[in-house]
Amino acid sequence: EAGVTQSPTHLIKTRGQQATLRCSPISGHTSVYWYQQALGLGLQFLLWYDEGEERNRGNFPPRFSGRQFPNYSSELNVNALELEDSALYLCASSLEPAAFFGQGTRLTVV
Amino acid sequence: GEDVEQSLFLSVREGDSSVINCTYTDSSSTYLYWYKQEPGAGLQLLTYIFSNMDMKQDQRLTVLLNKKDKHLSLRIADTQTGDSAIYFCAESTGRRALTFGSGTRLQVQP
Repeated sequence: EAGVTQSPTHLIKTRGQQATLRCSPISGHTSVYWYQQALGLGLQFLLWYDEGEERNRGNFPPRFSGRQFPNYSSELNVNALELEDSALYLCASSLEPAAFFGQGTRLTVV
Repeated sequence: GEDVEQSLFLSVREGDSSVINCTYTDSSSTYLYWYKQEPGAGLQLLTYIFSNMDMKQDQRLTVLLNKKDKHLSLRIADTQTGDSAIYFCAESTGRRALTFGSGTRLQVQP
């Protein structure tokens, strides 16, 4: 069975541009979580989607947004990119109580 | 609010046991987790324990939970060089996303 898949694996953007990151959950999982792992800052919770609805968001500005599609896959959009948005973005899907992570998208803003 | 703390670094010799400790503050935590992250990779779920359990064993891994002191530990028996990684403790009430500690870097010396 396929695990959580994220695309692209690497993404390089210029400051001010927009980035779109994608996540496909494990089949049967309806919850998707997004986390940011910046160097030296640990894992910061970004967004939680379940059954197509945003259930909770972390302490990030509104330029971080996303959505969940009817097939439970998810997109994370980051607008007006800033240099400090450079990080590993991790997606997880969950079937309570376990959450399984993808390999992440490494976003570099130059 | 939720807070999870871990020591930053642990060094052991190959073949010894490793014990990684974690403390959390949310008394309503329902599940507690241990994840492993190797360089450049996502998070691998190692094990999790329900809050009404004291101990869980899975091959070389033993998780101990002291709910009164809000203390969680992960013991790795017969530590191998392949166990070198960052280990994250996380907790959840099941009604929100996981809250992670800052991670403990385990270095295994041959």
